[in-house]
Amino acid sequence: DAKTTQPPSMDCAEGRAANLPCNHSTISGNEYVYWYRQIHSQGPQYIIHGLKNNETNEMASLIITEDRKSSTLILPHATLRDTAVYYCIVRGGSGTYKYIFGTGTRLKVLA
Amino acid sequence: NAGVTQTPKFQVLKTGQSMTLQCAQDMNHNSMYWYRQDPGMGLRLIYYSASEGTTDKGEVPNGYNVSRLNKREFSLRLESAAPSQTSVYFCASEGYSNQPQHFGDGTRLSIL
Repeated sequence: DAKTTQPPSMDCAEGRAANLPCNHSTISGNEYVYWYRQIHSQGPQYIIHGLKNNETNEMASLIITEDRKSSTLILPHATLRDTAVYYCIVRGGSGTYKYIFGTGTRLKVLA
Repeated sequence: NAGVTQTPKFQVLKTGQSMTLQCAQDMNHNSMYWYRQDPGMGLRLIYYSASEGTTDKGEVPNGYNVSRLNKREFSLRLESAAPSQTSVYFCASEGYSNQPQHFGDGTRLSIL
């Protein structure tokens, strides 16, 4: 079973920030949070990951709560090309290789 | 920079036929993975190879075999294809523990 819970769908107006939440209440101390997106049926595209500090890169920002039980992916200025399924994945620890994908959040950016 | 390359992109098989899906990465990554994705679902791990010379089962290994041919290549074989194996297959690679996996564009496989 997936270790994360995400809303099944969200809408966002083009040009506005898209805030995608993820709950991972059973996360352990050495587990990272990863975000990927999948556009149509292409291969998942890596967006960002973090352990406990907030992270930012050219694509997005990742905000992790202090207790690490939830996180939010922020796309600062959503475009139509950001319409995709977004997956939040928790993984970490020695010998723990696999990702467990849930069903993700289907984000639709509206013109 | 090609990243992770999968061949073929599309394939149609008849029940009982065999086939090998190929995957190669040019990032000098240690670990490689095979996933399948059924319609409306997330990816599920079939097999993985943590390093050259090792392979291990994932969540859904039945009906599949793998070979880690060298550090670059990781193949997935269907010995006797079944309609339940109709899916999109993704290969991924990863450099070091806790670094992100990089995915190929997938192989769309239909079994009639």
